[in-house]
Amino acid sequence: NAGVTQTPKFRILKIGQSMTLQCTQDMNHNYMYWYRQDPGMGLKLIYYSVGAGITDKGEVPNGYNVSRSTTEDFPLRLELAAPSQTSVYFCASSAGGAENTEAFFGQGTRLTVV
Amino acid sequence: GENVEQHPSTLSVQEGDSAVIKCTYSDSASNYFPWYKQELGKRPQLIIDIRSNVGEKKDQRIAVTLNKTAKHFSLHITETQPEDSAVYFCAAGGNAGNMLTFGGGTRLMVKP
Repeated sequence: NAGVTQTPKFRILKIGQSMTLQCTQDMNHNYMYWYRQDPGMGLKLIYYSVGAGITDKGEVPNGYNVSRSTTEDFPLRLELAAPSQTSVYFCASSAGGAENTEAFFGQGTRLTVV
Repeated sequence: GENVEQHPSTLSVQEGDSAVIKCTYSDSASNYFPWYKQELGKRPQLIIDIRSNVGEKKDQRIAVTLNKTAKHFSLHITETQPEDSAVYFCAAGGNAGNMLTFGGGTRLMVKP
């Protein structure tokens, strides 16, 4: 199993540009998450999904959109990039269900908006 | 929603000493409390977790304790080694959507 795979690893965007961060997992997990981690700070939840076709906002959703058309993929879309979106983005997945289980993280995408 | 507070934000110890990191949570419905270690430039990885039906769990030099009444849980690392230097995150889950809410992190530095 590859686990959780994110692409790209690094990206520089100009203000106002758009991009999609890709995330795929091969563990057949129902739950998927997007977090952002600002320098020296903790993890903030952007969006999450409890299954294909279902998404919901987390703590900091403004400026982002997600979709979950398949169990495996959970892309994060940035529209009109702003310097405040400079951060490291982590995708994660977990089996979820009646009992919480370990969340597995991707390797992260370091995004700089200039 | 859930709110998780983590202290201290930085912790410096001498190699061989113990380190303790504490977290408090607000949602009494939370029932899953994992701890993640994040080395510089890498992804967070689970090191230990505890569920609300137990009060303590140990794994070699690492232990976690949980006090559900007081809504706090702690990570204990004994005989610290330089490779324990990293950022540690606590988290709480069990609320709607099984989301994990993370604490702000603790940067642990173990001096040789």
